[in-house]
Amino acid sequence: AAGVIQSPRHLIKEKRETATLKCYPIPRHDTVYWYQQGPGQDPQFLISFYEKMQSDKGSIPDRFSAQQFSDYHSELNMSSLELGDSALYFCASSSLTGQGTGELFFGEGSRLTVL
Amino acid sequence: QKEVEQDPGPLSVPEGAIVSLNCTYSNSAFQYFMWYRQYSRKGPELLMYTYSSGNKEDGRFTAQVDKSSKYISLFIRDSQPSDSATYLCAIGGAQKLVFGQGTRLTINP
Repeated sequence: AAGVIQSPRHLIKEKRETATLKCYPIPRHDTVYWYQQGPGQDPQFLISFYEKMQSDKGSIPDRFSAQQFSDYHSELNMSSLELGDSALYFCASSSLTGQGTGELFFGEGSRLTVL
Repeated sequence: QKEVEQDPGPLSVPEGAIVSLNCTYSNSAFQYFMWYRQYSRKGPELLMYTYSSGNKEDGRFTAQVDKSSKYISLFIRDSQPSDSATYLCAIGGAQKLVFGQGTRLTINP
């Protein structure tokens, strides 16, 4: 079965640079979530989109922005990168309409390293 | 106080033992209760999902929810070395999911 696809899997950037992460949800899922997971930490919710509109916002820095496109894929843009942004960034998708029950299914994550 | 509390462990048990993992939560509005398993450097993998009080069983795994006490548990029977991972509880409402800190579990052969 198709899963959540994230790219790139690994990314190395320098301080003050910009990075973009992409997420392709499971087909027919209408909701995308972004999470940030630091070493030894639980995933922290950043932002979510339902039907291409922002639906909830968590602890996302102002330097970060995200959007969901017409094909339901989502991109997380991170600017003025700081060392503390180094983490695993997970995308998850779910279906809240039709027969969906709201479980989140996660991608493999994108590991961002800021030098 | 965090919305979801989970003992981070680490927890180490011998193969074949019964494992009990627990979380407490503070927001009674939460409707969905999930357990995720996460191997090192991998994304969380959904193990169990429930939205009502009581028990739900799937193979060697049993999820238990007590809404009156705001307490959820995951039991693993006949634990295997391949069960060694970090287990995260996740509790949510509409379009919001809050994770516990995760319990690092090691099953020793």
